[in-house]
Amino acid sequence: SAVISQKPSRDICQRGTSLTIQCQVDSQVTMMFWYRQQPGQSLTLIATANQGSEATYESGFVIDKFPISRPNLTFSTLTVSNMSPEDSSIYLCSVQGAQGEKLFFGSGTQLSVL
Amino acid sequence: QQQVKQSPQSLIVQKGGISIINCAYENTAFDYFPWYQQFPGKGPALLIAIRPDVSEKKEGRFTISFNKSAKQFSLHIMDSQPGDSATYFCAPPGGSYIPTFGRGTSLIVHP
Repeated sequence: SAVISQKPSRDICQRGTSLTIQCQVDSQVTMMFWYRQQPGQSLTLIATANQGSEATYESGFVIDKFPISRPNLTFSTLTVSNMSPEDSSIYLCSVQGAQGEKLFFGSGTQLSVL
Repeated sequence: QQQVKQSPQSLIVQKGGISIINCAYENTAFDYFPWYQQFPGKGPALLIAIRPDVSEKKEGRFTISFNKSAKQFSLHIMDSQPGDSATYFCAPPGGSYIPTFGRGTSLIVHP
């Protein structure tokens, strides 16, 4: 199993500002995933972050809006840039288990943009 | 991403009743069929999963049924309890084991 620490757990931000979310894993992992979950909705994959390479973004998500860092095998950050109220969501980081099929999630960051 | 269709969107059952959630998929390459459980303020957590070489798997009150020919799998919660109230997602992984999440089912179990 993997234990994921994500912070902040929640934040209220002003329009036009940026927020960086941190994700720390208790073991080395190859891929880390960032998801967005809008209120009452399913999880949407934002990007996959591999150590030592640029993140791979899903359709509809761009690096300028959601820059990601992956400095080592246990840590990643997601920045939500130039925020608007439409960015209000829960942001989750996730890693795969040893066999690759099972996902482990952090507790999420609940972001509200005023 | 390939589609998975999850139903119902919401479900209300009485304590002790049976909760049934269904997931239909399109991608026949899926070979791992999990259900995740998410409580408010928490990330999803794996509840139970099945591989296509068996038709049913039971873990306590939770049973997952798999119908390969119909491309469907279901979660059955027997003797449902208020503590089971949560959102449930089917999320079979595809390429690079990246899962495709269903829309989710909000389950409420009344005492």
